[in-house]
This record gives sequence, structure tokens and C-alpha cells, in this order.
Amino acid sequence: DAKTTQPPSMDCAEGRAANLPCNHSTISGNEYVYWYRQIHSQGPQYIIHGLKNNETNEMASLIITEDRKSSTLILPHATLRDTAVYYCIVGNGNKLVFGAGTILRVKS
Amino acid sequence: GAVVSQHPSWVICKSGTSVKIECRSLDFQATTMFWYRQFPKQSLMLMATSNEGSKATYEQGVEKDKFLINHASLTLSTLTVTSAHPEDSSFYICSAMTGRGTNEKLFFGSGTQLSVL
Repeated sequence: DAKTTQPPSMDCAEGRAANLPCNHSTISGNEYVYWYRQIHSQGPQYIIHGLKNNETNEMASLIITEDRKSSTLILPHATLRDTAVYYCIVGNGNKLVFGAGTILRVKS
Repeated sequence: GAVVSQHPSWVICKSGTSVKIECRSLDFQATTMFWYRQFPKQSLMLMATSNEGSKATYEQGVEKDKFLINHASLTLSTLTVTSAHPEDSSFYICSAMTGRGTNEKLFFGSGTQLSVL
């Protein structure tokens, strides 16, 4: 599985957009980019995934660069409840390997 | 989204005893489930892939005789920690695959906190 690189932590003001970057320069052609988040002592929650096109759902938007070597997860209006560890993972859906993730702290 | 139910949420046991954790897919069938372990302030570590009707596939360094996995039906996988010791204390999380093609994704259970005294 391709590896990902994320910043260890980020802060965001409540109500502002949170933009979480992820580098995945060794991604292969059939691998998707998945984003999950984990709130303390809970299982990871699926957020969004994409192959090469930008995606949007009720939770977030996913912007994937044209060369697919990086992506950005956008939470358009962050709330305090969005404070969590965010994981960017590349794979085919099976056997997803988690990296260290980004701790997002949303502050009032 | 799809629901994966994990039980129990937490368990405390004595050293040397065995503990069984259940993972159920509530509204879909899952031929493949995955078991992860997470230590405090660390990321999830994949332990094994559970295949319905066949033997589980374990990741390198995970003892198959220590962590018994059974996937007897399309909606249930169990992880049994045998002869548990304090170093087995951890957060155990299961996941199941749902969807097809571009819509394929993993959903996770809520996790089980195991404390071995």
C-alpha cells in the first residue's frame, strides 16, 4: 500500500474552513484516497473518498491534484465537534493501513 | 452509512483468561472483516483479515494462536484473545467492507477497550 504524509497537528477557528493536506506521491493508478476521522476512544468514522475527481458530500469536500500525488480534505465550517484525528489513507478499499494522521483542534 | 456493531465496548479480565470480542455487520453482508489494535496515542495497527468460511490472514508479528479469529457467517466475526496478559491491554477495533467498485469502503465498529489485570 502507498504511504501518506500528513502534518501531525493543525488548529482551526470555529466556523472557519479546515483544510487538511495529505501527500501520497507513490499512489498507484487503481488506489483510492480515503479520509477517516477518529474521536477519542471511538472507532474511525468514514468521511469521504475519491479516485481522481474532486468529491463532495454532506460532511466534507475532497480535492485531489491532477497528478494524484496529494489531496486536501476540506471541512467547510468547522465546529468544536470536528476536533479529532484525521487519517488520509490510500488503497483499494481492502486492508487499509493507517498512518499517524493529523490532530485537528477546532478552537472557539 | 452501513453499521458495524462491536461488543463488548469494554472488558476487564484477569491475567490468563480468554476474552471474546464480537463484530457484526448489521445491515449488510461482509465476506471480509478486519481487526485492528490501537495503543494509547498511537495509530491503528492492522492485526488480521478475517475471511468468511476460511482461515484468517494475520499481519507479520501477530500471533495467530494468541488472537483467534472466527468468521463463521457473513455478518459475524469474532476475535478471541487467549490467555490474556497485561501487555494485551489495548483498544481493539473491527471493520467491514461494503459497497462495490467506486463505492467500496470500510466501516468501523465502535471498538473494545480491553484491560487485563
